[in-house]
Amino acid sequence: DVVMTQSPLSLPVTLGQPASISCRSSQSLVYSDGITYLNWFHQRPGQSPRRLIYKVSNRDSGVPDRFSGSGSGTDFTLKISRVEAEDVGVYYCMQATRWPLTFGGGTKVEIK
Amino acid sequence: EVQLLESGGGLVQPGGSLRLSCAASGFTFSSYAMSWVRQAPGKGLEWVSSISGSGGGTYYADSVRGRFTISRDISKNTLYLQMNSLRAEDTAVYYCAGHNCGGNCYSGFDSWGQGTLVTVSS
Repeated sequence: DVVMTQSPLSLPVTLGQPASISCRSSQSLVYSDGITYLNWFHQRPGQSPRRLIYKVSNRDSGVPDRFSGSGSGTDFTLKISRVEAEDVGVYYCMQATRWPLTFGGGTKVEIK
Repeated sequence: EVQLLESGGGLVQPGGSLRLSCAASGFTFSSYAMSWVRQAPGKGLEWVSSISGSGGGTYYADSVRGRFTISRDISKNTLYLQMNSLRAEDTAVYYCAGHNCGGNCYSGFDSWGQGTLVTVSS
């Protein structure tokens, strides 16, 4: 199975400051079609997850442009350029390149 | 607007069975592959199972293979998860998720339901 390792587990941030979350996979996430199926999700307390980023760097409709995804192969990053109060919650990376599909353990973002 | 509404959760004894449903609307149901994802209390997300748009392809996590069965009724726009031989470790909120990337594409997870809680306890 592909193991997805996120860091840090917890990320206290100051409003208006940048934040960065790392996600590393135990195997390359490049599929045979050349596409890397790596998603990022945000889950607020008591809510369902919401996809933010798909295929490494594509932002979903309605997602603020302060969110960006990057990376390749086995090393990926989600960045928030300026954290706002609504960004608190847990962020998960997920790979959909190989079965079984697997999620990272999550990174909890909170305001200092 | 895509809407997914899960139901069927509840309290069940170890070894028991439960069937979850996910009613879909706002899109052509047969065009979307669908998945179930669960989240144990206070824990992270775990993929459980996926099914192709036609229903002909199914995939399972090792932790549920042989006990859970995913299916879909295109005429009813409904996704199902039949859960048998339930264990305490199956206790979780179960979400259905849709993949708006083709009937044999399982990478989307672009739409989610609100979840339904399954508690396995005596």
